[in-house]
Amino acid sequence: GAGVSQTPSNKVTEKGKYVELRCDPISGHTALYWYRQSLGQGPEFLIYFQGTGAADDSGLPNDRFFAVRPEGSVSTLKIQRTERGDSAVYLCASSLRGTSSGNTIYFGEGSWLTVV
Amino acid sequence: AQSVTQPDIHITVSEGASLELRCNYSYGATPYLFWYVQSPGQGLQLLLKYFSGDTLVQGIKGFEAEFKRSQSSFNLRKPSVHWSDAAEYFCAVSRMDSSYKLIFGSGTRLLVRP
Repeated sequence: GAGVSQTPSNKVTEKGKYVELRCDPISGHTALYWYRQSLGQGPEFLIYFQGTGAADDSGLPNDRFFAVRPEGSVSTLKIQRTERGDSAVYLCASSLRGTSSGNTIYFGEGSWLTVV
Repeated sequence: AQSVTQPDIHITVSEGASLELRCNYSYGATPYLFWYVQSPGQGLQLLLKYFSGDTLVQGIKGFEAEFKRSQSSFNLRKPSVHWSDAAEYFCAVSRMDSSYKLIFGSGTRLLVRP
C-alpha cells in the first residue's frame, strides 16, 4: 500500500516485558515521527527522525523508550520494562521533509499497546 | 507553552445540518494550524491546514476553517453533514520553526443522526 504501515496493530504484553513496534513510512519520505495517543486524548509527540538521525527526541517520556531508524526508512520504537501507564496507541507518521511549511504529515493507523 | 482547547467533547447533529467544531489555541505568535479526522481503521487524516495568507481555508470532504487571530480560534465548519462524517476530530497547532511537532487538542467526537 501507499500509506504508513505499522505492525503489530495490537499488542498485549505483561508488565516488565520488552516491546518493539515497527513503522514503515511512505516510500521517499525522509521525515518520520512517533506520537502516542492515550485513551480520550489527542496524540502527543514523541520523536522526529530526519533520515537516520533523531532530530528531536524531546517527547520521549523517559529512558525506557528508544527509537531507531538505521537505514533511513523503517523505524522501530522500543519500550523496555513496560508499565501499565504505557498502554496507548502508538502512531507513526511520515512526511516528505521535516520542517517545511508546505509539509503534510501522514499518519499510520497505529499500534495499540496494552500492558497487563 | 502552546496548547489547544476543543471545548466540546461530543457533538450530535442531524444529517444535512450544518456543523461547527470549536478550537482555541494558546501561542505567542501566529502558529501553523491543522484539523485532522480520525475514523476507526483509518488513522488520522489531514482535513486542512493554515500557514499564512487567506484566513478562510478550504479542505477536503467539503470542510473549511477560519483563522481568527483576535479570538485565537480556528473553528471547523461544514454546511451539510453526511453520515460518513461521524468520527473524532482533532485540532492541532505547531510552531513555525518546528512544524513537525504537532500539539493536539483532546478531540471532539461527532455523532450524526439519520
